[in-house]
Amino acid sequence: KAGVTQTPRYLIKTRGQQVTLSCSPISGHRSVSWYQQTPGQGLQFLFEYFSETQRNKGNFPGRFSGRQFSNSRSEMNVSTLELGDSALYLCASSSQSTNEKLFFGSGTQLSVL
Amino acid sequence: AQSVTQLDSQVPVFEEAPVELRCNYSSSVSVYLFWYVQYPNQGLQLLLKYLSGSTLVKGINGFEAEFNKSQTSFHLRKPSVHISDTAEYFCAVRGTDNTDKLIFGTGTRLQVFP
Repeated sequence: KAGVTQTPRYLIKTRGQQVTLSCSPISGHRSVSWYQQTPGQGLQFLFEYFSETQRNKGNFPGRFSGRQFSNSRSEMNVSTLELGDSALYLCASSSQSTNEKLFFGSGTQLSVL
Repeated sequence: AQSVTQLDSQVPVFEEAPVELRCNYSSSVSVYLFWYVQYPNQGLQLLLKYLSGSTLVKGINGFEAEFNKSQTSFHLRKPSVHISDTAEYFCAVRGTDNTDKLIFGTGTRLQVFP
């Protein structure tokens, strides 16, 4: 079984631009969660999608948005990029239930200049 | 809402020495607890989890953790570490409701020296 795939692996953008990150979950997994990882802050929860519906949302501004498609693939979009958005963005998938472990992708390293 | 505190941002230790990584949580409801490990340039992978039952949980790579409800702690231990255990370790908590989100601590960097 293929793991969680995130593309692109690295991304460089400038302030004010927008960016779209992609995540393909493990086959059969219906839940996709997104996290922002920065040094010293750990992993901050962005949002979770389950069967194309946003099930949970973290405390991020509206510039951060996401969606999930019928095949469970998910995209995350950040508009009007700021320097502070530079981070590793991690996607994780799980099958369904709360006690199922999350399977993480290797992340997309976003640098905003 | 839940929260997780990992007081130690870095833990240096010599190879073959024991180690304990501390984790405390806060929650008004029942919780599930997890430890994840992140090796350089990789995503996170599950080390172990506590759902219910025995408070001592054994995970992969010789790690174990003990759930202490009265102290709201879930400390991770290994009796003898290896160089290959050098990584970032994250404690995480979520409520037992199916819609609850997984909340991570800020991580502890374990550095094993020869």
